Amino acid sequence: DTGVSQDPRHKITKRGQNVTFRCDPISEHNRLYWYRQTLGQGPEFLTYFQNEAQLEKSRLLSDRFSAERPKGSFSTLEIQRTEQGDSAMYLCASSPGNGRGGNTEAFFGQGTRLTVV
Amino acid sequence: AQTVTQSQPEMSVQEAETVTLSCTYDTSESDYYLFWYKQPPSRQMILVIRQEAYKQQNATENRFSVNFQKAAKSFSLKISDSQLGDAAMYFCAYAGNNRKLIWGLGTSLAVNP
Repeated sequence: DTGVSQDPRHKITKRGQNVTFRCDPISEHNRLYWYRQTLGQGPEFLTYFQNEAQLEKSRLLSDRFSAERPKGSFSTLEIQRTEQGDSAMYLCASSPGNGRGGNTEAFFGQGTRLTVV
Repeated sequence: AQTVTQSQPEMSVQEAETVTLSCTYDTSESDYYLFWYKQPPSRQMILVIRQEAYKQQNATENRFSVNFQKAAKSFSLKISDSQLGDAAMYFCAYAGNNRKLIWGLGTSLAVNP
């Protein structure tokens, strides 16, 4: 297992275009999280899944953002009609579940850096 | 709502010395976890250390240890025998019942040779 992988690593897009990012979590992990991180800031929670169910969405996630996790495996995050303010690093993380101890640890991918020009 | 505060935007330490990074948090939950993550320039988040709120004993991982003061809602990270590879952004994070992470703004740590 190579850990959490995200694709692409970098994306440059023109304002108004749609973009889609993919995250492949660690295979036995039930929970998958999306965060957004802008320069000089800590990550901000966007949404998370327990298996295929999307359990929570942040108010940061406008109607232009949609996330899916079909079959409880990989996840996609789509941004429609991108704006310059969407430029950020999008981080994906997965964790085994909601138990105690080690089950709380989130493992992160390397992120997708989005630049909207 | 839960919040995490890191009041030191930047810190520096001499190689082989000890440095302490501060973190405070606010919550009304009784069951939660606290974490320190490291983010090197490559930008992949790496877990440094984890503390369960129900445990009184401070967590330790090799050169990294925490001082967890539950009543004061304080969770500081001590790095002993600092190494050049410790240079990175360090984030304090909180996870409550839903296990999503709430993050501080980070502390940039420089290690001077």
